[in-house]
Amino acid sequence: EDKVVQSPLSLVVHEGDTVTLNCSYEVTNFRSLLWYKQEKKAPTFLFMLTSSGIEKKSGRLSSILDKKELFSILNITATQTGDSAIYLCAIPQNYGGSQGNLIFGKGTKLSVKP
Amino acid sequence: DAGVIQSPRHEVTEMGQEVTLRCKPISGHNSLFWYRQTMMRGLELLIYFNNNVPIDDSGMPEDRFSAKMPNASFSTLKIQPSEPRDSAVYFCASSLGPGRNTEAFFGQGTRLTVV
Repeated sequence: EDKVVQSPLSLVVHEGDTVTLNCSYEVTNFRSLLWYKQEKKAPTFLFMLTSSGIEKKSGRLSSILDKKELFSILNITATQTGDSAIYLCAIPQNYGGSQGNLIFGKGTKLSVKP
Repeated sequence: DAGVIQSPRHEVTEMGQEVTLRCKPISGHNSLFWYRQTMMRGLELLIYFNNNVPIDDSGMPEDRFSAKMPNASFSTLKIQPSEPRDSAVYFCASSLGPGRNTEAFFGQGTRLTVV
C-alpha cells in the first residue's frame, strides 16, 4: 500500500532558527514527490522532486530527495513567523503507469514564535 | 486564470440535510480530485476524475456520498443525508492529467459543519 509518513507532527521554534522536516514514503513506481505549504486555506505548491541528490531551492526553503532510502527533507533557514503553517508531503499514486491522485502525509505543523 | 473555484466557502447544516459542494477546475486541466481534510486523518482522497470519468472512488466513505463531473468545467460532491461526522474541510484540486509529472492546484476549500 502506498503511503507517506511525515515527522515530526508538530514543531515550535523561534524566529531565526533552522528547521528540518522529514518525509518518508512507500510507493509502487515512484514518479515524484511534492511539498506543499498550507496556511489558513488551500495547500500551495512548493517543490516537486524527481531525482535523488538534486536540491531544489526557493529563498530560505530547500528540499532534497533520496530515492534509495525513500525519503525527502524540507529545510527552512532563518525562520520567520510567516513560515508558520502545515507542511505537507505528497506522492502521486500510480494508475497503470500514469500519475493519479496525490497521497498526502498528515503534515508537520510548524509554529514560529517571535 | 482564477484557479480552482469552490463554493460555498462555508456551510453549516443540520444533520439529515442534503449538502452539495461545487468545484470549477482550472481550464485545460484533465484531472479533478475531491479531498477531505480533518485533524485526525489529514488530507484523504475521496474521488478522482480523469477526463470527466471517475477513476478511483475508493475513498468515498459510503453511499451517502456521491460525486459527478458532467463536463470538463464543473464537478459536484453531494452528501445525502449529512451527519455530524461529515464535518470537515472539503478541497477540490485539479491537475493537467496523467502521464505528466505535475502538481495539483487546490481550491480554497469548503468548510462543512453538520450540527
